[in-house]
Amino acid sequence: GQQLNQSPQSMFIQEGEDVSMNCTSSSIFNTWLWYKQDPGEGPVLLIALYKAGELTSNGRLTAQFGITRKDSFLNISASIPSDVGIYFCAGLLYNFNKFYFGSGTKLNVKP
Amino acid sequence: EAGVTQFPSHSVIEKGQTVTLRCDPISGHDNLYWYRRVMGKEIKFLLHFVKESKQDESGMPNNRFLAERTGGTYSTLKVQPAELEDSGVYFCASSRDRGGTGELFFGEGSRLTVL
Repeated sequence: GQQLNQSPQSMFIQEGEDVSMNCTSSSIFNTWLWYKQDPGEGPVLLIALYKAGELTSNGRLTAQFGITRKDSFLNISASIPSDVGIYFCAGLLYNFNKFYFGSGTKLNVKP
Repeated sequence: EAGVTQFPSHSVIEKGQTVTLRCDPISGHDNLYWYRRVMGKEIKFLLHFVKESKQDESGMPNNRFLAERTGGTYSTLKVQPAELEDSGVYFCASSRDRGGTGELFFGEGSRLTVL
């Protein structure tokens, strides 16, 4: 199956710091989604990207759809304790109708 | 609007037993997906229903897994007989639109532990 390489696997940061994570693949994707999963909950959509080069913000979150359509990154600025959780990227493969997910980035924020 | 609901939230069974997981999608969502996440790994696609029809079941691990969506409403995923490697969190997601034009709404997941 398709593989999305998501990094880093985990991060330990201080409150107020900025965070960056990314997903890469050897395949071309039509859509990139970024989800956050809180403990005991299902993943919740943060940002959706539909066009190569697209840069989209949602509050302190900014995500970009890579120009090659093979990667995407998510930035979180001025992190706060409630940003703690697992962040997943998901890509819709060109000509397919299902999303492939990365293995997640576990974010820990120290107050 | 009620979200995607899954039952049970956690199931602990012994190897060789049977477990049935249930998913109620958001009302009006024709697309229903099952995913599984094994600890530390990616959320892996299992299968996709459009209404009551299996659109894509290429991710189903083997014939011990059976998914149904009779009537195009709720779906069940049965594992029989369960093996140790079946342990993980099984997520159900639904969407109104096909593929990447719509958001995937996830349930809270059903954690399966096979001993």
